[in-house]
Amino acid sequence: AQTVTQSQPEMSVQEAETVTLSCTYDTSESDYYLFWYKQPPSRQMILVIRQEAYKQQNATENRFSVNFQKAAKSFSLKISDSQLGDAAMYFCAYRFKAAGNKLTFGGGTRVLVKP
Amino acid sequence: EAGVTQFPSHSVIEKGQTVTLRCDPISGHDNLYWYRRVMGKEIKFLLHFVKESKQDESGMPNNRFLAERTGGTYSTLKVQPAELEDSGVYFCASSPGQVLGPASWAQYFGPGTRLLVL
Repeated sequence: AQTVTQSQPEMSVQEAETVTLSCTYDTSESDYYLFWYKQPPSRQMILVIRQEAYKQQNATENRFSVNFQKAAKSFSLKISDSQLGDAAMYFCAYRFKAAGNKLTFGGGTRVLVKP
Repeated sequence: EAGVTQFPSHSVIEKGQTVTLRCDPISGHDNLYWYRRVMGKEIKFLLHFVKESKQDESGMPNNRFLAERTGGTYSTLKVQPAELEDSGVYFCASSPGQVLGPASWAQYFGPGTRLLVL
């Protein structure tokens, strides 16, 4: 079974600084997708960024970027120039392409942004 | 465009009672998913509908859980009888069907229903 591990329950970052969230996963498959979702307090989960496993280039969405290391099965998220609105729970998720659409999530990392 | 909505937002019931959660997906989305997060644990997949058919129900914990999606629109998840370990947040998500490429990757989540079984 595939598993996703987020080893940092909570991370704190100063406004305008950079924070990196770690995510590792365990799979024997080669064709899959990886995602980072953000859930602000009392709000719904939204997709932040996604990565296809066959693409070597790391995905980037504005201030959010990933460091995808396929051999190491690592998929970290970097938030640059942190803003107060970035405070949220961040979930790493995996989707095995041939197993339908279901997502396997990590336990989440809470990000606190200090003004 | 309205997002995924869930009702109720919170529910507090006693052990042995029945609770029904409702999810309204984004209009036109064929795929509907249920997930739940039990306190302190990961978000776990429960099941996946494609229109009104159950595509994958491998995550349903036991037969106390019944999900339906009549007419391929909204879905309900009934827990009967509820047990203490059913407490948690139940998320619904939807995604487009029959769309190839990146548009089909994203699952759009609702705000969740927080269930507390006493």
